Amino acid sequence: DIVMTQAPLSVSVTPGESASISCRSSKSLLHSNGITYVYWYLQKPGKSPQLLIYRMSNLASGVPDRFSGSGSETDFTLKISRVEAEDVGIYYCGQLLENPLTFGSGTKLEIK
Amino acid sequence: QIQLVQSGPELKKPGESVKISCKASGYTFTDYAMNWVKQAPGNGLKWMGWINTQTGKPTYADDFKQRFVFSLETSASTAYLQINNLNIEDTATYFCTRYNPSVGFAYWGQGTLVTVSS
Repeated sequence: DIVMTQAPLSVSVTPGESASISCRSSKSLLHSNGITYVYWYLQKPGKSPQLLIYRMSNLASGVPDRFSGSGSETDFTLKISRVEAEDVGIYYCGQLLENPLTFGSGTKLEIK
Repeated sequence: QIQLVQSGPELKKPGESVKISCKASGYTFTDYAMNWVKQAPGNGLKWMGWINTQTGKPTYADDFKQRFVFSLETSASTAYLQINNLNIEDTATYFCTRYNPSVGFAYWGQGTLVTVSS
């Protein structure tokens, strides 16, 4: 199984500042078709996960452009610019390259 | 608009069974596979598997091959998750989520909390 390792466990951010979350996969998520199958989700308290970034760097529909994704074959970063109070929750990375699909253990974002 | 609406919370005893529904609307049900994800209390997301909505063929992750059944009622645009012989470790919120090959899991149900307690 592909293991997704996130860091840090939690992050506390002042509104208006930036935050970065890292995710590392145990295997390259770059397919031969050139697509990197890593995704980012935000689960707000008491809600379902919502898709933020697909295929490593593509912004999902309706997601503010304060969110961005980048990375290589095994190391990925979600950056949140100008953090707002509504960004609190748990952020998960996940891979859709191969079954079983797997997720990171999550990074909790709090506001200072 | 696209929606996945799940059935309400369930309280069950060990050994009982539960069947959760996920009703889709706003798109052609058979155009996209349906996946199921488990979230135990205070824990992260665990993929359970998926069902091909055109053929009805299910695929289960290893941890969910024994007591779990994915099924469909295509005429009602509804997917089901049945868990048999429930145990305490099945206490969790279960999500259905639609898989789009282009963007992944863009739509999720609201989740169904299953509590197993004697």
